[in-house]
Amino acid sequence: EAGVTQSPRYAVLQEGQAVSFWCDPISGHDTLYWYQQPRDQGPQLLVYFRDEAVIDNSQLPSDRFSAVRPKGTNSTLKIQSAKQGDTATYLCASSHRDWGWHEQYFGPGTRLTVL
Amino acid sequence: GDSVTQTEGQVALSEEDFLTIHCNYSASGYPALFWYVQYPGEGPQFLFRASRDKEKGSSRGFEATYDKGTTSFHLRKASVQESDSAVYYCALGGHAQGLTFGLGTRVSVFP
Repeated sequence: EAGVTQSPRYAVLQEGQAVSFWCDPISGHDTLYWYQQPRDQGPQLLVYFRDEAVIDNSQLPSDRFSAVRPKGTNSTLKIQSAKQGDTATYLCASSHRDWGWHEQYFGPGTRLTVL
Repeated sequence: GDSVTQTEGQVALSEEDFLTIHCNYSASGYPALFWYVQYPGEGPQFLFRASRDKEKGSSRGFEATYDKGTTSFHLRKASVQESDSAVYYCALGGHAQGLTFGLGTRVSVFP
């Protein structure tokens, strides 16, 4: 079974530039999560979806960040105007609400550096 | 809000030493508790979880017991190997919800 895939693996931007991250969850997983992991910290939830619906985006900086999952499968996270403080690894995870306690399976992440 | 505290930021051990990482949590309700492990350049990997008081979770020689009384879920392993070098995260979560992670503990095991 293929795991969670993410692209790109790395991105380097100047402040003010835009960037998009793409995630393909494990097949059959209905719940998809985006986390931000600053260097030497634990992952912090940004937003999560059940199928195509946003369940919780309260931690997503809505003025510059947006996330979609239009068909309930792949998802895109976009930063409209990046800031140096956005430098972090962006992790995507997926799970299924009916399987066990829906352990979350993480992709390798996209490491973003904003100069 | 919910929070997880890991006491040790870094731990250095020799092979065959006993490992303990302390995890305490604060949460409303009755969350599930998790341990994840992260290797360089990878996302966190699920290690195991427990979802009720006194339940023991275990995997790969690691174990932890959910203790609602002391709000703890300490990770232990009797004999570590060099391959156990990684960052370990304690986390809590509700039913099909996002996880709240601790800051992590970097474990370095030397031969």
